[in-house]
Amino acid sequence: EVQLVESGGGLVQPGGSLRLSCAASGFTFSPYTMFWVRQAPGRGLEFVSGILSNGRATYYADSVKGRFTISRDDSRNTFYLQMDSLRVEDMAVYYCARERGGYYFDLWGQGTLVTVSA
Amino acid sequence: EIVLTQSPATLSLSPGERATLSCRASQSASSSLAWYQQKPGQAPRLLIFGASNRATDIPARFSGSGSGTDFTLTISSLEPEDFAVYYCQQRSSWPGTFGQGTKVEIK
Repeated sequence: EVQLVESGGGLVQPGGSLRLSCAASGFTFSPYTMFWVRQAPGRGLEFVSGILSNGRATYYADSVKGRFTISRDDSRNTFYLQMDSLRVEDMAVYYCARERGGYYFDLWGQGTLVTVSA
Repeated sequence: EIVLTQSPATLSLSPGERATLSCRASQSASSSLAWYQQKPGQAPRLLIFGASNRATDIPARFSGSGSGTDFTLTISSLEPEDFAVYYCQQRSSWPGTFGQGTKVEIK
């Protein structure tokens, strides 16, 4: 089955860290650009970070630059989001997604909830 | 950065009615526009890409049109499972932007 499965979400205090993982299966992972997209409670969709195939380039939203780091391990069909210095405003459901055609996302994970609270 | 404005914010319709959702771009987005459906507690689902191409397994009642700055998602006859939030998304610069969403609710 073609799917993406996120893990690593949870409750963390402000200033803390979490590492999200997204495991791909059912397709050849390495050629694809992959993204993290988040959705705060009751809000819309926001791009967080993306990584091209082979890690050739990365994207970070201004709101997370310098705090979040994206990486991928093609041997494990997995990519990651290391989130440091977490803020209350980072609290959201984080989805991983596969990019196609240079801009749209045809495959999404089920989402993992990140709660930032004292 | 291109800003996408979706209208209306909420659309109240009955099953069987036609739904017309608008997505307007602040600058030309060519035809690089996608539409997604999101139901509560679920991930977004790709409906349309390239402004008018249905994604895999998307029913024919969903259609997309437009180019440049004005785009439309039409649901020809609403089924009960179509009541959800719909987002448009474009690529101008990587990775593009999402609209704020239109909620289609049962009247």
